[in-house]
Amino acid sequence: AQSVAQPEDQVNVAEGNPLTVKCTYSVSGNPYLFWYVQYPNRGLQFLLKYITGDNLVKGSYGFEAEFNKSQTSFHLKKPSALVSDSALYFCARPALPDSGAGSYQLTFGKGTKLSVIP
Amino acid sequence: DAGVIQSPRHEVTEMGQEVTLRCKPISGHDYLFWYRQTMMRGLELLIYFNNNVPIDDSGMPEDRFSAKMPNASFSTLKIQPSEPRDSAVYFCASSSGGGNTIYFGEGSWLTVV
Repeated sequence: AQSVAQPEDQVNVAEGNPLTVKCTYSVSGNPYLFWYVQYPNRGLQFLLKYITGDNLVKGSYGFEAEFNKSQTSFHLKKPSALVSDSALYFCARPALPDSGAGSYQLTFGKGTKLSVIP
Repeated sequence: DAGVIQSPRHEVTEMGQEVTLRCKPISGHDYLFWYRQTMMRGLELLIYFNNNVPIDDSGMPEDRFSAKMPNASFSTLKIQPSEPRDSAVYFCASSSGGGNTIYFGEGSWLTVV
């Protein structure tokens, strides 16, 4: 099965500073990749996805992610963090290599808690 | 448009009781997923349906868990009998497949005491 890894359990950043939440993926299979955000006591919300094309993907709330094939990474970034960005962030990809770009049966990373300090 | 609707939002029940969680997917979506979230195990896919048919239930932890989708607009996840280790947040999600986004409900927060 394909997998993703989020190496950091928690990321702290000062408000106004750029933020990065890291994600790496296993080399096998397709590199379809997703980012979701979970605010406290809420469900997961889709932020962005990479299927093909431009390596820089722009998503909701000013977030973007860069697909880097040589480093097998898909880090989430934002130029200027807001306190309201504090949440749990999940990287994900299809669990099976032959599932194409279909978003069914996603496997998620363990999540990274982002805290933006005023 | 209404999103994925789950009920109940919160439930506290005693060990041994039957628990039924309900889900209404987004209209027109042909995939429905049940996920479970715990601190220890993170997000786990329990089962998913395509066009109301269960496709993969390998994530269902044991026979105490069952899921049904009698029609395109309704699904249930049942736990019978419930145990304290079933305490978790259960998410229902839906998508139209083919590379489209999965949309999650707000979750059902289950506590078994």
